[in-house]
Amino acid sequence: GDSVTQMEGPVTLSEEAFLTINCTYTATGYPSLFWYVQYPGEGLQLLLKATKADDKGSNKGFEATYRKETTSFHLEKGSVQVSDSAVYFCALRGRAGGTSYGKLTFGQGTILTVHP
Amino acid sequence: ETGVTQTPRHLVMGMTNKKSLKCEQHLGHNAMYWYKQSAKKPLELMFVYSLEERVENNSVPSRFSPECPNSSHLFLHLHTLQPEDSALYLCASSQEEGDPWETQYFGPGTRLLVL
Repeated sequence: GDSVTQMEGPVTLSEEAFLTINCTYTATGYPSLFWYVQYPGEGLQLLLKATKADDKGSNKGFEATYRKETTSFHLEKGSVQVSDSAVYFCALRGRAGGTSYGKLTFGQGTILTVHP
Repeated sequence: ETGVTQTPRHLVMGMTNKKSLKCEQHLGHNAMYWYKQSAKKPLELMFVYSLEERVENNSVPSRFSPECPNSSHLFLHLHTLQPEDSALYLCASSQEEGDPWETQYFGPGTRLLVL
């Protein structure tokens, strides 16, 4: 079945540092890929997405490129801020119908803490 | 109210209690979901409703009983829970039109503690 593997955290960075959170996936066909972010005490918010190979999703300075050859969707940001401290989830949605209707498969989440 | 709301935000219950979690979406979506978020585990999809009909039930114990009376409301009825059911329960909604990239919008969750 589908699965998503994220780098284990927690990740601790200083403000303005470069961020990479690795994400690799296993899926049949051509899934859509997502990054969600969860700020303390809140639900998940969509950060960015990519729907086909070589697509780059971007939002709020974050970027991720859909790499089919390496089955990866790594999240990057050039200069993190304290306000980026949150839990980041990589997720995929397969294109098969039937029992996978509406199903998002999530990674385990990576906690990011940014210090001033 | 906008987006997806959930009540209550926090709930403490004994193993013999019966309680219900409520979710409401104000986005005009046609599909709603319940997820369970436990510490150090990936989010687990519990139930999916599309056009008020349950389309997926991921082997969830019968002590969890969902209800979707209309496309805007989703309930999760709880009874005789176990301490390991303590978790954050997240509701989400989306507009399903056959495309695999529909965004799911999440509520803030209900933090449940079973004593």
